[in-house]
Amino acid sequence: NAGVTQTPKFRVLKTGQSMTLLCAQDMNHEYMYWYRQDPGMGLRLIHYSVGEGTTAKGEVPDGYNVSRLKKQNFLLGLESAAPSQTSVYFCASTDRGRYQPQHFGDGTRLSIL
Amino acid sequence: AQSVTQLGSHVSVSEGALVLLRCNYSSSVPPYLFWYVQYPNQGLQLLLKYTTGATLVKGINGFEAEFKKSETSFHLTKPSAHMSDAAEYFCAVSDPYSGAGSYQLTFGKGTKLSVIP
Repeated sequence: NAGVTQTPKFRVLKTGQSMTLLCAQDMNHEYMYWYRQDPGMGLRLIHYSVGEGTTAKGEVPDGYNVSRLKKQNFLLGLESAAPSQTSVYFCASTDRGRYQPQHFGDGTRLSIL
Repeated sequence: AQSVTQLGSHVSVSEGALVLLRCNYSSSVPPYLFWYVQYPNQGLQLLLKYTTGATLVKGINGFEAEFKKSETSFHLTKPSAHMSDAAEYFCAVSDPYSGAGSYQLTFGKGTKLSVIP
């Protein structure tokens, strides 16, 4: 059981380049989330989805777009990368209910030069 | 809005000593609380959670946490630290007012635990 899988694990981009991060979960979860983690800042929510075909903005959505065309996949896109987007990105998924924990992938380490 | 405060961004303990990581929350409704652990270059793993019922919650790797409503606290403890406990720990509260029933979590900023041999 793989859980939540993120690809790629590492990436270096130049300013202005675009890329897509892929998150896949095999737990049939309805809810999926993208976070960024920066030193001393904890985890900040970028975008989330409450089901296939839905997306919504989180705390820090600017500069990012997302899509959830299939229930198991949640894509995070950077259209024009900026150095401020250098971070570690985590995807998570959960089932319905406040008592349910979120399950995390191992992260994508992204550097923008 | 919910909030989580973790006192101490970095805590050092000696191997075999008590581990105490502090978490205080604010919530206008009965909270659901979580502790996660993050080992270097890995994602977050659930240590334990409090939903309802018993206020002392046991988790993996010998950790436990006690929910104290009067103190709005959910501190994490372990009687005897091991070298393998060195990691970053995050406290989180489930946000009942997050958009469209999205079951968002509000995280604290984390506490990095170092274990000294």
